[in-house]
Amino acid sequence: AQTVTQSQPEMSVQEAETVTLSCTYDTSESDYYLFWYKQPPSRQMILVIRQEAYKQQNATENRFSVNFQKAAKSFSLKISDSQLGDAAMYFCAYRSAAQFYFGTGTSLTVIP
Amino acid sequence: NAGVTQTPKFQVLKTGQSMTLQCAQDMNHNSMYWYRQDPGMGLRLIYYSASEGTTDKGEVPNGYNVSRLNKREFSLRLESAAPSQTSVYFCASTPGRAPGYTFGSGTRLTVV
Repeated sequence: AQTVTQSQPEMSVQEAETVTLSCTYDTSESDYYLFWYKQPPSRQMILVIRQEAYKQQNATENRFSVNFQKAAKSFSLKISDSQLGDAAMYFCAYRSAAQFYFGTGTSLTVIP
Repeated sequence: NAGVTQTPKFQVLKTGQSMTLQCAQDMNHNSMYWYRQDPGMGLRLIYYSASEGTTDKGEVPNGYNVSRLNKREFSLRLESAAPSQTSVYFCASTPGRAPGYTFGSGTRLTVV
């Protein structure tokens, strides 16, 4: 069974600094997708970035980038130049053919 | 704006009462999902509908029923609410295999 593990329940970062959120997953499949979702206090789930497993190049979206290590089954999110608006819960997710599997989340605090 | 609409946003029920959470999407997506979110447990799949006319159980289906009324609408019913069903419920949709979910804004349900 697929599982997604986020080992950091809470993280904090100074404004304008860089932070990395960790995620590992377990799968026997070769074709899948990985995602990072952001959930601010508004409760809305927002897609931050996604990575196709068949792509070797790491995905980047503005200040957000991932370090995808397929052999190690690792998918970390790096947030550069952190802003106060980045404060939220972040969920790592894995998608197989039919379902998503979510990690338990990392709560990110941004310190002014 | 196009997206996933959930109603209601908040609800308080007494133990044993029934209710239906409504979800509708206007993006012509094939697949729809119901999740519950509990502190420290991430999102857990209750039921999903891969396409119109089909529904399948997810990780935590007990105490719930669903109806895929048409391509747009996917409802979640609690027949006899229990305090253990106090949670935040999310509906999500996706066109098919590749992209990430589009989430609704969630329903905070409290069963007393």
